[in-house]
Amino acid sequence: AQKITQTQPGMFVQEKEAVTLDCTYDTSDQSYGLFWYKQPSSGEMIFLIYQGSYDEQNATEGRYSLNFQKARKSANLVISASQLGDSAMYFCAMREKRGYQKVTFGIGTKLQVIP
Amino acid sequence: DTGVSQDPRHKITKRGQNVTFRCDPISEHNRLYWYRQTLGQGPEFLTYFQNEAQLEKSRLLSDRFSAERPKGSFSTLEIQRTEQGDSAMYLCASSSRPYDDEQFFGPGTRLTVL
Repeated sequence: AQKITQTQPGMFVQEKEAVTLDCTYDTSDQSYGLFWYKQPSSGEMIFLIYQGSYDEQNATEGRYSLNFQKARKSANLVISASQLGDSAMYFCAMREKRGYQKVTFGIGTKLQVIP
Repeated sequence: DTGVSQDPRHKITKRGQNVTFRCDPISEHNRLYWYRQTLGQGPEFLTYFQNEAQLEKSRLLSDRFSAERPKGSFSTLEIQRTEQGDSAMYLCASSSRPYDDEQFFGPGTRLTVL
């Protein structure tokens, strides 16, 4: 089974609108971390936001928020007030088990912001 | 400010040749990671160093691949007898804390094997 599933290969959003990028994960661990990264066309991976499995509140970082629904094993990224510079690939990722460093990435969602 | 740097940025080689990539992490980061990313996929974990110790290796890291971090600073990833399937972006990342932290990625080395 896929550890990280991103079912939206591509998304369009109007500038200044909000957009939700979906991510579901599969783990039997109680302790894990969830990440979102942005990869512009330049290729560099840029960290956006982190959510720990024991965190009770949804993580927020500026215009980014992570809608964490533990029972449904989903960790959707919400980008508010989209900007043209948000056009990029977005990857959801998970680290399982404290003490292990392996991070598993999804296949990504390509977001295009329309002026 | 010096982020994670990788050299070279691009490498074209012929099948069967050996290649070596270098990664210089952020200076105070003692954790270093290598990932491989093929077209249309997310990065795949290859290996992890804490200081000079290689603590975790993926099964993706065949015996043709070797990684080192001799003094706990920069790291090298060598691929021997390259194959066309090795063509990918090789990403290096570093971090300073063991858990709940972001990994800072370098710009990557794009390898093309002809």
